[in-house]
Amino acid sequence: DIQMTQSPSSLSASVGDRVTITCRASQSISSYLNWYQQKAGKAPKLLIYVASSLQSGVPSRFSGSGSGTDFTLTISSLQPEDFATYYCQQSYSTPRTFGGGTKVEIK
Amino acid sequence: QVTLRESGPALVKPTQTLTLTCTFSGFSLSTSGMCVSWIRQPPGKALEWLARIDWDDDKYYSTSLKTRLTISKDTSKNQVVLTMTNMDPVDTATYYCARETVTINDYWGQGTLVTVSS
Repeated sequence: DIQMTQSPSSLSASVGDRVTITCRASQSISSYLNWYQQKAGKAPKLLIYVASSLQSGVPSRFSGSGSGTDFTLTISSLQPEDFATYYCQQSYSTPRTFGGGTKVEIK
Repeated sequence: QVTLRESGPALVKPTQTLTLTCTFSGFSLSTSGMCVSWIRQPPGKALEWLARIDWDDDKYYSTSLKTRLTISKDTSKNQVVLTMTNMDPVDTATYYCARETVTINDYWGQGTLVTVSS
């Protein structure tokens, strides 16, 4: 199975900050990397697919980059509604696997 | 629009078999490229992918849980069923079903919390 490692596991940031979350795959997954946002008590929501494509309706302050084994999710200017937990997921092969999550908290 | 809804028991006893049903609308599992996945999340922990069934009835399972899982579909009823045998308290989690198409889980159900306790 492909292991997905996210860092950091949590971070504190202020509204307006630029936030970067990284995800590393245990082997090359090309660009088959998705990012999800999950708020407390809610189902995950797709933000970014195939590493850098923005899902319809997602604000443009979210962006993704990377290929191979190293990927990044960036929030250019953190908004109050962005405080949540973020997960990466590889869709290169089955079984699919998720990262351990990054919790973004208010500073 | 696409919707998915999970249903099943909220409480199961250790060693029992869990049966969960995902009822969906807005797409057909007989359409090429459509798949339905099950994903779970223990309280306060990360997401864990469990299984997937494809439009052509191909099935895929978590490596660590494959001996305990069975996924099936009823295309006429727009339902996908997941069974998990020999339930243990560590299986306490919110269980989600989600549509997968073109490698992405674009629609998710609201999830159902299953507690394993005697």
